[in-house]
Amino acid sequence: GAVVSQHPSWVICKSGTSVKIECRSLDFQATTMFWYRQFPKQSLMLMATSNEGSKATYEQGVEKDKFLINHASLTLSTLTVTSAHPEDSSFYICSATNPGQGTGELFFGEGSRLTVL
Amino acid sequence: AQKVTQAQTEISVVEKEDVTLDCVYETRDTTYYLFWYKQPPSGELVFLIRRNSFDEQNEISGRYSWNFQKSTSSFNFTITASQVVDSAVYFCALLGYSTLTFGKGTMLLVSP
Repeated sequence: GAVVSQHPSWVICKSGTSVKIECRSLDFQATTMFWYRQFPKQSLMLMATSNEGSKATYEQGVEKDKFLINHASLTLSTLTVTSAHPEDSSFYICSATNPGQGTGELFFGEGSRLTVL
Repeated sequence: AQKVTQAQTEISVVEKEDVTLDCVYETRDTTYYLFWYKQPPSGELVFLIRRNSFDEQNEISGRYSWNFQKSTSSFNFTITASQVVDSAVYFCALLGYSTLTFGKGTMLLVSP
């Protein structure tokens, strides 16, 4: 199957700094990407859905100014956690799909573990 | 709105037992896809199966089997002769046209 690469896998940052996480589809046109966060021992919580070339649709309760999502091309979406705080520490996972293909193929990145000190 | 329910939060079995993980879903989409993923402690999601809404054939892959029943909106997952390496959290997920919803996951603990 296609490969979705997420970078970085691990990141530790100081409180107040911003962190960017990249999600790249290496051989797949990802017209739609989903961003999830997962707290320990919990399910994946959808943060936002991004469609290439348009603004992301955020789930209720997710601050769009805090979690900036950019999906400028068919192969790259980025999540920027702005002014990170310890409560933003979490596991962030992206997934990519192309609804127009009608195959239901869905590919996940490896996840990025963010620790904010 | 979509919804995926995994009613079993945690299941503990002894090695070699069979175990079934339940998944019930709700959607208004006529075309959709159902998935099962395994998440070991390392965190990455391991793809197990994808099934589209028009294909109700059950599937068997080694010790794994899946029972898709559209009439009851269920997509259950059975592990036969469980092994310690099967211990993980298992997620059921539903992909509509452009909405992906996960269940809360079932933690499976297989003890020797």
